[in-house]
Amino acid sequence: GAGVSQTPSNKVTEKGKYVELRCDPISGHTALYWYRQSLGQGPEFLIYFQGTGAADDSGLPNDRFFAVRPEGSVSTLKIQRTERGDSAVYLCASSQWGFTDTQYFGPGTRLTVL
Amino acid sequence: GNSVTQMEGPVTLSEEAFLTINCTYTATGYPSLFWYVQYPGEGLQLLLKATKADDKGSNKGFEATYRKETTSFHLEKGSVQVSDSAVYFCALSDGQGGKLIFGQGTELSVKP
Repeated sequence: GAGVSQTPSNKVTEKGKYVELRCDPISGHTALYWYRQSLGQGPEFLIYFQGTGAADDSGLPNDRFFAVRPEGSVSTLKIQRTERGDSAVYLCASSQWGFTDTQYFGPGTRLTVL
Repeated sequence: GNSVTQMEGPVTLSEEAFLTINCTYTATGYPSLFWYVQYPGEGLQLLLKATKADDKGSNKGFEATYRKETTSFHLEKGSVQVSDSAVYFCALSDGQGGKLIFGQGTELSVKP
């Protein structure tokens, strides 16, 4: 079946602008995760959804970052007043139940803030 | 807090050489341990995992054993191929929802 998809694959924006990044998880997966990967580093956890609710948002760096998953499927990561330091690859992953289930990663969205 | 430390890369080997990539972790409780791989131009994919002490994860000729006494999960392969060239990430999950904590990654380059 289809894997995790993310759109757009690349996003270039100017400092101070608002961006939305979309994630389509594998059908039927209840758990969805967002991570951020800076160049040369491992992915860093941002937020985890179980169904529609954010079960753990401890990784969001500040209140400019927000994510939703209104119907328990597609999720959108929203970044307000972007800063150059937000430039990174944003990864989405889903798993069937969460916890130690295998997480399947999407290809990522490369965000560049000029 | 929980953390993962990997040996730094890049690692360059000749084809058919033996591979070890070291990974150690710090965690409370009993985490699950993972190796993920990122091939050039592709997304992260699970290579292998182990969920309890002394478990051995294996896949595609790669192995790693969960060693609680040394808090380690070293990745090994007896004979690498050019197609194994990739970035390898060690990770742990503390079971609280399953969020993964990754090491910084080790780039492997295998020359023919």
